[in-house]
Amino acid sequence: QKEVEQNSGPLSVPEGAIASLNCTYSDRGSQSFFWYRQYSGKSPELIMSIYSNGDKEDGRFTAQLNKASQYVSLLIRDSQPSDSATYLCAVNMKANSKLTFGKGITLSVRP
Amino acid sequence: KAGVTQTPRYLIKTRGQQVTLSCSPISGHRSVSWYQQTPGQGLQFLFEYFSETQRNKGNFPGRFSGRQFSNSRSEMNVSTLELGDSALYLCASSRTSGRMGTGELFFGEGSRLTVL
Repeated sequence: QKEVEQNSGPLSVPEGAIASLNCTYSDRGSQSFFWYRQYSGKSPELIMSIYSNGDKEDGRFTAQLNKASQYVSLLIRDSQPSDSATYLCAVNMKANSKLTFGKGITLSVRP
Repeated sequence: KAGVTQTPRYLIKTRGQQVTLSCSPISGHRSVSWYQQTPGQGLQFLFEYFSETQRNKGNFPGRFSGRQFSNSRSEMNVSTLELGDSALYLCASSRTSGRMGTGELFFGEGSRLTVL
């Protein structure tokens, strides 16, 4: 199993829809989880962090964490064309304290 | 507040040469991490420095090395370049070390290395 795995994508949603991005991780003891957004030709930028089971909301973004299932997700409500980017899931792995990234999923929001 | 600054932004080298990349972190940030990004492998962790000490290292050969200076600026060096080293090298800074469980990184724009 890969350390941090994301659906290969790409994902295409219409403007105004909810985009759901999923991520699983292998290290059960991990405690810190992050979502980064990377626009084409740009560097990644942090958009959400989550440390406890449940939901964390920030504007149109909601991060969800389920440690028992080793699953973290990002929901983007009312998706906008400006949300079109690659979204990277990152986990600070308990075993080695390395921030490990998934390969990312490319989201395209159709006007 | 100035962001993370990486130099050079672009460089072309030939096989067998070596390259040094530089990173200046955000003021007050003591941790600098380096990542290699390629289309096939995504973002892969190279190493992390905190207060001039290497705190963590990824699974890269010894040709990849780094260091951090007392002002938190960092350099990474790749010796005996191979074609497969062509990639975007990203530096990221943070207030605390990844050993503390953090992952809130601020990335620079990267140095794009092409090896011919």
